[in-house]
Amino acid sequence: DTEVTQTPKHLVMGMTNKKSLKCEQHMGHRAMYWYKQKAKKPPELMFVYSYEKLSINESVPSRFSPECPNSSLLNLHLHALQPEDSALYLCASSHGTGEVYEQYFGPGTRLTVT
Amino acid sequence: KNQVEQSPQSLIILEGKNCTLQCNYTVSPFSNLRWYKQDTGRGPVSLTIMTFSENTKSNGRYTATLDADTKQSSLHITASQLSDSASYICVVRENSGGYQKVTFGTGTKLQVIP
Repeated sequence: DTEVTQTPKHLVMGMTNKKSLKCEQHMGHRAMYWYKQKAKKPPELMFVYSYEKLSINESVPSRFSPECPNSSLLNLHLHALQPEDSALYLCASSHGTGEVYEQYFGPGTRLTVT
Repeated sequence: KNQVEQSPQSLIILEGKNCTLQCNYTVSPFSNLRWYKQDTGRGPVSLTIMTFSENTKSNGRYTATLDADTKQSSLHITASQLSDSASYICVVRENSGGYQKVTFGTGTKLQVIP
């Protein structure tokens, strides 16, 4: 199984809602990532988890809250988002965070904030 | 600041024709360079990885080259197919110890028409 799955595929939420994005992999990878991608732009790194611990937070606003309950699962909790947060949210995983490890990307969650 | 620039920004070619995409980078110290293919609304998928000592690498109809002296890479697509229509992203990883930060290029949007 070389797949990273993400749910939901699409999400529409109001600015006062609380929702969560879910990412799962069963490749035994110990590093997991959240990226944000706006239209026609490259992905921007948000968070890196290594061995279930948050190792990098790229100065992401606190309305985005990551969680790694176990080595296979990564969540992104959303609260009080702004319309400019609308984007494709990509999850990725890799064996480790070293240079030789390829990141495998999920299909993404298309988020629209109204 | 590390940068990865790609050209052209977009490209339209006829099915069966060849094309070459360019990537110039300023990332230093250099670790490796990957070319990804990203279909619209999907996560990126790795095509090739180039390390410092590699000049050329092929993956089916895709051939990547790397000139580490001039900090340039190219992706050549041979006998294009309609399914090659996608964005192609050049991603360069720096070798700075610990988590090696990656810098994404802006991408080239390729459209193959019949």
